Amino acid sequence: SYVLTQPPSVSVAPGQTARITCGGNNIGSKSVHWYQQKPGQAPVLVVYDDSDRPSGIPERFSGSNSGNTATLTISRVEAGDEADYYCQVWDSSSDPYYVFGTGTKVTVL
Amino acid sequence: EVQLVETGGGLIQPGGSLRLSCAASGFTVSSNYMSWVRQAPGKGLEWVSVIYSGGSTYYADSVKGRFTISRDNSKNTLYLQMNSLRAEDTAVYYCARVVGDDGSLFFDYWGQGTLVTVSS
Repeated sequence: SYVLTQPPSVSVAPGQTARITCGGNNIGSKSVHWYQQKPGQAPVLVVYDDSDRPSGIPERFSGSNSGNTATLTISRVEAGDEADYYCQVWDSSSDPYYVFGTGTKVTVL
Repeated sequence: EVQLVETGGGLIQPGGSLRLSCAASGFTVSSNYMSWVRQAPGKGLEWVSVIYSGGSTYYADSVKGRFTISRDNSKNTLYLQMNSLRAEDTAVYYCARVVGDDGSLFFDYWGQGTLVTVSS
């Protein structure tokens, strides 16, 4: 099965930039999607297809994907960005087909 | 406005059965791909099952043969029948709409989740 690896935690000061990585074998050949989950809440899609944002998601959230690493970047971090973040890909040759990353806890200092 | 509301969770003994429901509004379930995703306490997200608009269904290995996904078009509702439940099935179960195209499928709307606890 396809494995997506994320750092368990990332800490960032308000106003700074947070970068969350998602590692997978040749992930650059796949489309990567990112979800934000705050405590006690359902996940929310923040980036899809590597770098597109759903309506209502601030421009501070951006994504990139190349080689073996995809990255979610949160610019000008705010206290409200503190949450768990998960990457996800779909792979018809994998089982399970819908693969989530291990998750990263973003802490705003 | 798209809404997904899950119900049916609760405390169930190992070996028991439970059926989860996900009532949708703002779109038509049968015209979309729909999925169940679960999250064990303090753990990450795990995909469970999907039903495609054409009716094809797929399952994670961990639930294959025990869980069945289905839908009722007249009620615009998605279901997950869970049999032979185990302690490791304890989780919050989310229903989610799947969108995208070949090579890129993802979850754009999620319900609030329903907690299933398997314990004696």
